[in-house]
Amino acid sequence: NAGVTQTPKFQVLKTGQSMTLQCAQDMNHEYMSWYRQDPGMGLRLIHYSVGAGITDQGEVPNGYNVSRSTTEDFPLRLLSAAPSQTSVYFCASSRPSGEQYFGPGTRLTVT
Amino acid sequence: KNQVEQSPQSLIILEGKNCTLQCNYTVSPFSNLRWYKQDTGRGPVSLTIMTFSENTKSNGRYTATLDADTKQSSLHITASQLSDSASYICVVSAVWGSQGNLIFGKGTKLSVKP
Repeated sequence: NAGVTQTPKFQVLKTGQSMTLQCAQDMNHEYMSWYRQDPGMGLRLIHYSVGAGITDQGEVPNGYNVSRSTTEDFPLRLLSAAPSQTSVYFCASSRPSGEQYFGPGTRLTVT
Repeated sequence: KNQVEQSPQSLIILEGKNCTLQCNYTVSPFSNLRWYKQDTGRGPVSLTIMTFSENTKSNGRYTATLDADTKQSSLHITASQLSDSASYICVVSAVWGSQGNLIFGKGTKLSVKP
């Protein structure tokens, strides 16, 4: 099993550009989540999904969109990148009562 | 307000020594408490998950304790190794099985020196 994979690993965007961060898992987990991690702060939840076709907002959803058309994939879209979105982004998956498995992260810089 | 506070923020110990990391929480209602290890530049990895009824749980040289009455948890690392250098994150869940109710602490950065 590859577990949770994320692409790209690094990305530099200019203010106003859009992009999609990819996340995929091969463990047939129902739950998937996107977090951002900034220096000196804990992981903060952006969006999450409890199954295909179901998504919900987390603590910091503004500026991000998600969709969940399959169990395996949970892409995160930045609509119009801003410097405040410079961060490390982690995707995670789990069963409803199980431990979370995190991906390796995407380091995003917005200039 | 649901909060998870970890102490110390950072810690330096010598290889072979033991250490204890603290986690205090005000999350209510409480469902479970998790400890993660995060190596630099990588995603967090789960060490333990403890429910209300569990007060001790071990994973190799890592032992987590939970006191649900005082809302405190600790992570004890025995005979530390250089590979234990990482950030350790305490996470508390308010609702079982819900990803929308995980409250993350800011972590304790542990450095193990030879």
